[in-house]
Amino acid sequence: QVQLVQSGAEVKKPGASVKVSCKASGYTFINYGVTWVRQAPGQGLEWMGWISAHNGDTKYSQNLQARVTLTTDTSTSTAYMELTSLTSDDTAVYFCARDDGGGYFDDWGQGTLVTVSS
Amino acid sequence: DIQMTQSPSSLSASVGDRVTITCRASQSITSYLNWYQHKPGKAPKLLIFVASNLYSGVPSRFSGSGSGTDFTLTISNLQPEDFVTYYCQQSYSHPYTFGQGTKLEIK
Repeated sequence: QVQLVQSGAEVKKPGASVKVSCKASGYTFINYGVTWVRQAPGQGLEWMGWISAHNGDTKYSQNLQARVTLTTDTSTSTAYMELTSLTSDDTAVYFCARDDGGGYFDDWGQGTLVTVSS
Repeated sequence: DIQMTQSPSSLSASVGDRVTITCRASQSITSYLNWYQHKPGKAPKLLIFVASNLYSGVPSRFSGSGSGTDFTLTISNLQPEDFVTYYCQQSYSHPYTFGQGTKLEIK
């Protein structure tokens, strides 16, 4: 079965960077994309960006484009999301999700809580 | 960017009721509209894709309709586990965007 397993919770200081991993199994990794979504406390879902596991093509939210980088390692079927220059507004649960190719997300990771606090 | 507006933001209903949630896009997205269910502390779950297609394993009491700019999610015969939050999401063009969510509460 399809599984996306994310790395564990992180606590970071303002100005630092965080890198969250998302290891995929149960499907052919390079045949799909990976989308990243976050949810801040008490807020809705925010689409952050997408990466093609086939060729590394990326799309980013304009709000985050300057600070977020999505990458993949096809040898380990793992996707990564790195966010720099963290502020308290980046405190959120970060999710990876498999993009079926039609732009909908049919399998999700369990979420990774990133807390930014001094 | 395409803006997605859901209404209502919250909705009270009873077990067994039928409810409808609306999602409006700021421009035509043809049928590229998806619906998710999100329970607290869990990953979102895909319910409906491309406006009206029920995702595998999702109960048939969930249905979606619409095209262009206006879409609806209907839940019939509400069950206790349905009282959570629902989001629409457009997949017409990047950046893909979500609606702000509709919280379904027990009356």
